[in-house]
Amino acid sequence: NAGVTQTPKFRILKIGQSMTLQCTQDMNHNYMYWYRQDPGMGLKLIYYSVGAGITDKGEVPNGYNVSRSTTEDFPLRLELAAPSQTSVYFCASSYSLSSGTYEQYFGPGTRLTVT
Amino acid sequence: KNQVEQSPQSLIILEGKNCTLQCNYTVSPFSNLRWYKQDTGRGPVSLTIMTFSENTKSNGRYTATLDADTKQSSLHITASQLSDSASYICVGPPRGGYNKLIFGAGTRLAVHP
Repeated sequence: NAGVTQTPKFRILKIGQSMTLQCTQDMNHNYMYWYRQDPGMGLKLIYYSVGAGITDKGEVPNGYNVSRSTTEDFPLRLELAAPSQTSVYFCASSYSLSSGTYEQYFGPGTRLTVT
Repeated sequence: KNQVEQSPQSLIILEGKNCTLQCNYTVSPFSNLRWYKQDTGRGPVSLTIMTFSENTKSNGRYTATLDADTKQSSLHITASQLSDSASYICVGPPRGGYNKLIFGAGTRLAVHP
């Protein structure tokens, strides 16, 4: 199992450009998540999905869009890049258990710089 | 306001020594609390998940404790190794559903030979 994979690893964007961060998991998890991690701050949830075709906003969704057409893939779209979106982006996936004690598996991250 | 506070922000210890990292949370009601390890340039990896019925849980040289009354947790690392150099992140009880975890800013640990 590759687990959660993300591409690209690094990217530099100019202000106003668009891009898609790719995320794929091979664990057949129904839940997938996108987080951003800024220096000195905890991870913030951008969007999450509870299954194919279902997505919902997290804590910091502005400036981002997602789609979930398959169980495996959960791409994150930045439409008009802004310097405030400079961050490290992590994708994660999990099962969802009624006890809440599921484990989230994280990808290696994408480091994005917007200048 | 961050509802998960960790201390210290950073810590340097010598190889072989023990250390304890602290986590205070204010989110309620409590369902579970987690500790993650994040190596530089990598994604977080789960160390332990504690439910309200557990007040201590071990994973090798890592032992997490939980006091739900005072809303405090600690992560104790025994006989530290160079590979323990990483950020350790406390993750508070989910808010607004099991999937909306609240991440602390982490404690950056450096283990020196």
